[in-house]
This record gives sequence, C-alpha cells and structure tokens, in this order.
Amino acid sequence: GAGVSQSPSNKVTEKGKDVELRCDPISGHTALYWYRQSLGQGLEFLIYFQGNSAPDKSGLPSDRFSAERTGGSVSTLTIQRTQQEDSAVYLCASSPAGGRVEKLFFGSGTQLSVL
Amino acid sequence: QKEVEQDPGPLSVPEGAIVSLNCTYSNSAFQYFMWYRQYSRKGPELLMYTYSSGNKEDGRFTAQVDKSSKYISLFIRDSQPSDSATYLCAMSLNNNAGNMLTFGGGTRLMVKP
Repeated sequence: GAGVSQSPSNKVTEKGKDVELRCDPISGHTALYWYRQSLGQGLEFLIYFQGNSAPDKSGLPSDRFSAERTGGSVSTLTIQRTQQEDSAVYLCASSPAGGRVEKLFFGSGTQLSVL
Repeated sequence: QKEVEQDPGPLSVPEGAIVSLNCTYSNSAFQYFMWYRQYSRKGPELLMYTYSSGNKEDGRFTAQVDKSSKYISLFIRDSQPSDSATYLCAMSLNNNAGNMLTFGGGTRLMVKP
C-alpha cells in the first residue's frame, strides 16, 4: 500500500513568509508525528497527534510553529514569519493505534530552504 | 552535551568489510533501541529494533545493547555498496502511543566496490 506522503518535496521561501507543509499518513494510522532534521543533526521531535488532538506539542521550537490534523488523517505544519534557522528537512511519520515504536513509518520529507 | 551521541563520519569501507556503528547515550531510562537507515533524500526506515540489553541478529545485521555502559552498536557483515547510507540510532523510554524517539546525529557510511 501507499506509504506516508509529504508535499511539497522542496520549498524555497523568503525570510518572513509563511509556509504550509502537508502530510498524508498511511491509511488507518491514528498516530502522526512531525520531526525536523537539520543538516548534520539528528531528528528533532516537534509534535505528536493521536487522532485530531495533539497531546504533546512540547517540541515546537517557537509560537511561529503550529500544526493541525483534520479528519484523523491529513496534517499540516505551518511556520509563520519564516527565519533562516528554520531551514531543514521536515519529516512526518505515522503509526497504527498503540504507537509501538517498531511500527513507525516516515515520509521522505519536505526540504525547506529560507533565503 | 547531547542526550545521544553518534560519530558523524563519513565512514568509508571496501565492499565485504565488517562495519561497526556506535552510539552512546546519557539517559539510563531508555529501554527501546533502534537503528534506522536513511538514503539520500528519503525518510529513515527502521532496520533493527531491540528492547533492553542484549544482541539481535537479522541477516547481515547485528544490533547490540549494553545498558550498563549506555552504549549501542550496529554491525554489518559483508557490507555492500547498497548499504551506503546514513545510519541513525534512536531510543525511547517506553513503547506507548505518542512516545518520542530521541535520535543520534547519524553516521554516513560509504561502501566502495
């Protein structure tokens, strides 16, 4: 079946603009995660959704970052007033109900470049 | 100091070599340990998963966890050019929904034909 789909695959924006990143999880997966991967760095946890609710927003780096999930499926990550330090690969992952770590599947990510 | 440390490499080996990749960590509460493989412009994919201390083997891959030393390893036997990728270690406190993975920075491996 289809894996986790993210769009766009690449996004170039100017400093100060807002961007929206989209994630389509695997059908039936109730848990959805956003991670950020900066050059040469490991993945940094941003936010977790169970269904449409986000019990854990602890990883969002600032109030410029927000995320929502509708219909228990598609999620969007919005970055307002982008800064150059926001440049990174934004990865989405999903897992079935229960959230077992070995059942986590990642998308290919959105490469965000802020000029 | 990062919670999980991993040598970034790059590590270059000839085809057929045995590769050893390692991570150290500081939080003794971690119980679940994973190795992910990430090809260029792709998301990470789970390679090995281990609970607590011990060894786990899957084909050419062996994962080792030494909780007393807070040290985990991934061994690749008979390495192939197709093994060229970035290898990320990851660990978590529990196996419940919503649990966060803590990643190392990744080691870039190049296997030369």
